[in-house]
Amino acid sequence: EPEVTQTPSHQVTQMGQEVILRCVPISNHLYFYWYRQILGQKVEFLVSFYNNEISEKSEIFDDQFSVERPDGSNFTLKIRSTKLEDSAMYFCASKVQETQYFGPGTRLLVL
Amino acid sequence: KNQVEQSPQSLIILEGKNCTLQCNYTVSPFSNLRWYKQDTGRGPVSLTIMTFSENTKSNGRYTATLDADTKQSSLHITASQLSDSASYICVVSQNSGGYQKVTFGIGTKLQVIP
Repeated sequence: EPEVTQTPSHQVTQMGQEVILRCVPISNHLYFYWYRQILGQKVEFLVSFYNNEISEKSEIFDDQFSVERPDGSNFTLKIRSTKLEDSAMYFCASKVQETQYFGPGTRLLVL
Repeated sequence: KNQVEQSPQSLIILEGKNCTLQCNYTVSPFSNLRWYKQDTGRGPVSLTIMTFSENTKSNGRYTATLDADTKQSSLHITASQLSDSASYICVVSQNSGGYQKVTFGIGTKLQVIP
């Protein structure tokens, strides 16, 4: 069964550094999402992406965040200058109809 | 403010027993409600999805109900197994200008013990 994949599974970075989280959505899906989950808290919506542009973003998704679909398969989330509070699990999801399929997540730790 | 409240926060049950998890929401306009299972350190996996007109939906030992009038949903797990130990998350979607906005509940942490 096709699934969403994410790399890396874990990333440790220094505060102020840039990180790029990568996702490969399911191939025929058209809608793409990024979520984050701070340890012990609920999943939070960051951004949705459709037709090569952002369709919706939350207040969390400020200027330090950006998303890109550089080719036909990858969907990336870039955090320009990481802060300690960016430490979280970041989930990518994709959908074609109603059900979103989540990737396994990237655990980001900012030191 | 759109909110999704889940109860209980955590639950411990014996293997083989049934349990019911609750979800109340204030999200409007309502599009659909989904229940996800999230194993520790993993991404959520969809169990059921229900639209406004659906009252109940089953997926194996999981049965979800929806009362759109009272804005309540429940997830019933029958004959629990050790592998059911996970967080169960209620997610409510609303249509917003053609796109869906989603609100997650914090989840109910279920532990099934032998």
